Amino acid sequence: EAEVAQSPRYKITEKSQAVAFWCDPISGHATLYWYRQILGQGPELLVQFQDESVVDDSQLPKDRFSAERLKGVDSTLKIQPAELGDSAMYLCASSLSGTGGIEAFFGQGTRLTVV
Amino acid sequence: SQQGEEDPQALSIQEGENATMNCSYKTSINNLQWYRQNSGRGLVHLILIRSNEREKHSGRLRVTLDTSKKSSSLLITASRAADTASYFCATDANPGAGSYQLTFGKGTKLSVIP
Repeated sequence: EAEVAQSPRYKITEKSQAVAFWCDPISGHATLYWYRQILGQGPELLVQFQDESVVDDSQLPKDRFSAERLKGVDSTLKIQPAELGDSAMYLCASSLSGTGGIEAFFGQGTRLTVV
Repeated sequence: SQQGEEDPQALSIQEGENATMNCSYKTSINNLQWYRQNSGRGLVHLILIRSNEREKHSGRLRVTLDTSKKSSSLLITASRAADTASYFCATDANPGAGSYQLTFGKGTKLSVIP
């Protein structure tokens, strides 16, 4: 069964260091989402791609976060420098398109701990 | 920002009982979805209800939608210990420019006691 792949599964980093997460969506899915989920809360959208284009990054802290999906397939989310408040689960999801009414498929997430 | 607000935040029931979770949202939507998340894992889609539908069933799940009250409910009948998880509603709205945002609530943590 096709699934969204994310790596690493867990990451511990020191504050002020750089960290990167990778996501490979389900083949053929044009829309890719990066969400951040703080423990005990719901996922919050950081960035949404349609193919290789960013369609929404209004909640992405652009002074330290960056995201790319160069060939419209896999994607990388980077944080530099990491801060203690960045500790959270980072979830990647994909869907066939961004036209609405379509379920999103989630990866297992990357649990980031900043020390 | 989070569009939906689930109620209750936590729910504990005995196996075999029914569990009801509610979701309220703020702005007009196209569709509403419910997802489930086991501890430390990704989210799994459960059911989608469109804005012109009032009720939908899938196995032991029943979802209702009241767009006039901007609210939805998820009912799980005959609960099992394996239903223990967090449940999130997600609203599907088009803020413009052709893109649809999927916005999640804070979730209800359900514990089913064997």
